Amino acid sequence: DAGVTQSPTHLIKTRGQQVTLRCSPKSGHDTVSWYQQALGQGPQFIFQYYEEEERQRGNFPDRFSGHQFPNYSSELNVNALLLGDSALYLCASSLGDRGVHEQYFGPGTRLTVT
Amino acid sequence: AQSVTQLDSQVPVFEEAPVELRCNYSSSVSVYLFWYVQYPNQGLQLLLKYLSGSTLVESINGFEAEFNKSQTSFHLRKPSVHISDTAEYFCAVTKWGAAGNKLTFGGGTRVLVKP
Repeated sequence: DAGVTQSPTHLIKTRGQQVTLRCSPKSGHDTVSWYQQALGQGPQFIFQYYEEEERQRGNFPDRFSGHQFPNYSSELNVNALLLGDSALYLCASSLGDRGVHEQYFGPGTRLTVT
Repeated sequence: AQSVTQLDSQVPVFEEAPVELRCNYSSSVSVYLFWYVQYPNQGLQLLLKYLSGSTLVESINGFEAEFNKSQTSFHLRKPSVHISDTAEYFCAVTKWGAAGNKLTFGGGTRVLVKP
């Protein structure tokens, strides 16, 4: 049973560019959440997708957007990259959008903005 | 809004010694509580969780955590650590029963187990 997968594993971009990160949830899961983990910090919630809609959003600017596909996979898009966007981006999947269900995390995508 | 404070950023400990990682949370509503572990260059793995019932919860690899509602704490303990426990540990909360189960994390505690 495949767990949560993310691609790519590493990415280097230049300021001002745009980036797309991808996530495939654990088999049977229908909810995908994205988190940003800056170096030396805990993960910060970006947003969550359920039934192809953004259901909840953290304190991130509109440069951060996402999408969920009918097969429950998801993309995170970041426009006009800033140096401060350099971080590990984690995807987590769960069954349903309620708190009792465990969130399973992928290995993350390491984004470096130069 | 919820917030989580992990009082120690780093905890060095000798192998076979006990360790305690402190976690305090702030919330105006009831929450679920979690401990996640992150090994180097990996994602997060759930270590244990408190949803309801007994305030003492245990993991399969010897960790335990106790929910203390009056002190709004959820400290993690292990009586005897191994080298393989070297990792970063994150405490997290999510609102009880609300739509959307976003996790709010603490800043993490890095555990370094020395031989």
